Amino acid sequence: EVQLVESGGGLVQPGRSLKLSCAASGFTFSNYYMAWVRQAPKKGLEWVATISTSGSRTYYPDSVKGRFTISRDNAKSSLYLQMNSLKSEDTATYYCARLNWEQHYYFDYWGQGVMVTVSS
Amino acid sequence: DIQMTQSPASLSASLGETVTIQCRASEDIYSGLAWYQQKPGKSPQLLIYGASSLQDGVPSRFSGSGSGTQYSLKISSMQTEDEGVYFCQQGLKYPWTFGGGTKLELK
Repeated sequence: EVQLVESGGGLVQPGRSLKLSCAASGFTFSNYYMAWVRQAPKKGLEWVATISTSGSRTYYPDSVKGRFTISRDNAKSSLYLQMNSLKSEDTATYYCARLNWEQHYYFDYWGQGVMVTVSS
Repeated sequence: DIQMTQSPASLSASLGETVTIQCRASEDIYSGLAWYQQKPGKSPQLLIYGASSLQDGVPSRFSGSGSGTQYSLKISSMQTEDEGVYFCQQGLKYPWTFGGGTKLELK
């Protein structure tokens, strides 16, 4: 059974940093692209970051580019999101998701999510 | 960026009723579309990918169709457990984008 378990969320002041982790199990982690997706309270979904199987390629939307860094440790089956210079608009539930491909990329498994609140 | 527009924003349906949700892309996404269901307090779950392929384990009352810029998700017979919010997502071009969501309630 595929499982994705996020951790590391919490309350952080604007301008500070936070690092999220995602522990994966139930599949060969190193064979899959992985991603982070967030959801602001009562809002829709926003893709945040993607990383290739080896970690050599990463992709971000403009809203987080230069502030967030996605990384992975295939030996530990773990995914990370380093978030720097946090803003109030980064307040959201952050989901770790596995990516699959068939003509296009889609998120086939999601974690339960971890809440990040950016506030003074 | 490719904009994804869903309609309606909300709807209510009776048990056994057929429900259709629309998703329009701002440019051709060549069937690079997925649909997700999110129940209150839960993470999204994949229903459909490639515009019309049913994810393993998803009931056959769910189906997807469309091409170009216009796509739809159909629930052939509304059930209690189908209440939730439905999102479409294009995974063809970065940045990947989601529709705003359609809230489905039981009438």
